[in-house]
Amino acid sequence: EVQLVESGGGLVQPGGSLRLSCAASGFTFSGYCMSWVRQAPGRGLEWLANIKQDGSEKYYLDSVKGRFTISRDNAKNSLYLQMKSLRAEDTAVYYCARDLVTIVRGVIITTIQPEYWGQGTLVTVSS
Amino acid sequence: AIQMTQSPSSLSASVGDRVTITCRASQGIRNDLGWYQQKPGNAPKLLIYAASSLQSGVPSRFSGSGSGTDFTLTISSLQPEDFATYYCLQHYNYPPTFGQGTKVEIK
Repeated sequence: EVQLVESGGGLVQPGGSLRLSCAASGFTFSGYCMSWVRQAPGRGLEWLANIKQDGSEKYYLDSVKGRFTISRDNAKNSLYLQMKSLRAEDTAVYYCARDLVTIVRGVIITTIQPEYWGQGTLVTVSS
Repeated sequence: AIQMTQSPSSLSASVGDRVTITCRASQGIRNDLGWYQQKPGNAPKLLIYAASSLQSGVPSRFSGSGSGTDFTLTISSLQPEDFATYYCLQHYNYPPTFGQGTKVEIK
């Protein structure tokens, strides 16, 4: 069974930093792209970042580029999101997700569409 | 970034009703679209991928259609457990973008 468990959320002051972790199990972690998605209280979903299987390619939402860094440790089956210069508008539940892999006419297609999600971890940026 | 316009933003329906939610992309996205269901306090759940493919384990009353810019999620006969918020997501290019959501409420 695929399991993703986020941790590291909490209360942080504006301008502060936080590192989120996501522990993966139930699948071959190194075989999948992974993403972070967040949801501000009472709001919709917002994709933040994505990292390829070997960590060689990373993509970010413009509004977090330079402040957030996605990384992974395939030996530890773990995904990370380092966040700095946090703002009140970064207050949200942060989800890690495994991206969907499909097979089309025998060809493996990796997508940037989250398939399995963790339960989320709440980050509150407030003084 | 590609904008996804989802409608309606909310709807009221009864058990057994047929429900349709639409999503329009600001540019063509082939069939690189998925639909998610989210219940309060829970993570989103993938229902449909590639615009019309049913995710494993999802009831067949859910279906998706469309290609290019216009997409539809249909629930053929609404069940009590279907009351939730639904989101579309385009993953044609970076950054993937979600629609603003459709809340399906009990009438």
